[in-house]
Amino acid sequence: QSALTQPASVSGSPGQSITISCTGTSSDVGSYNLVSWYQQHSGKAPKLIICEFTKRPSGVSNRFSGSKSGNAASLTISGLQAEDEADYYCCSYAGRSTLIFGGGTKLTVL
Amino acid sequence: QVQLVESGGGVVQPGGSLRLSCAASGFTFSSYGMHWVRQAPGKGLEWVTFIRYDGSNQYYADSVKGRFSISRDHSKNILYLQMNGLRAEDTAVYYCGKDRVALAGPSDLDYWGQGTLVTVSS
Repeated sequence: QSALTQPASVSGSPGQSITISCTGTSSDVGSYNLVSWYQQHSGKAPKLIICEFTKRPSGVSNRFSGSKSGNAASLTISGLQAEDEADYYCCSYAGRSTLIFGGGTKLTVL
Repeated sequence: QVQLVESGGGVVQPGGSLRLSCAASGFTFSSYGMHWVRQAPGKGLEWVTFIRYDGSNQYYADSVKGRFSISRDHSKNILYLQMNGLRAEDTAVYYCGKDRVALAGPSDLDYWGQGTLVTVSS
């Protein structure tokens, strides 16, 4: 099964909003309400920031939000801050108790 | 607080074996499914395997099926990954992760370990 499709990189200035897309298929993103997003700073372990497409785990800033449309999901970060510079990965349940990740998106804060 | 600490990584020759461990604390280990996820140097995340909370079933990515085996010991709160027939493409940092939903899953990973590096090279 192929990885979910994400843009390789996005960038934005402090205070702006950016959106990262994640495109799957009707066999994964389109079929289950189990898309999550992870933030990974360089050299660190990933951190869960969005689950079930739109839910924020406790302690995650409300500047992070998620949405769904058909076979795709999106992560929006509003009020961009320097500390948001990191790699972002989407992940979906893919049936048969398996998960599939996106290729990752590098966010640069200008 | 939830803690996951991996160990067992190292350098191994192609075709060799290695067993990774993940010591879990701060939650009821026997109530949550567990995952292994890997990340090759400079690459993205790849889901590897999941074991149900009670150890009754295990699931694998096609890339490791038949070579890797996940297991868990509830008396020690330890998750394992036995890796056999290792290949150069298995070189990666291996993370263990806790599934978010109790007595179910897989859903997503709400806690991750710091990772352990496995290098497959002659």
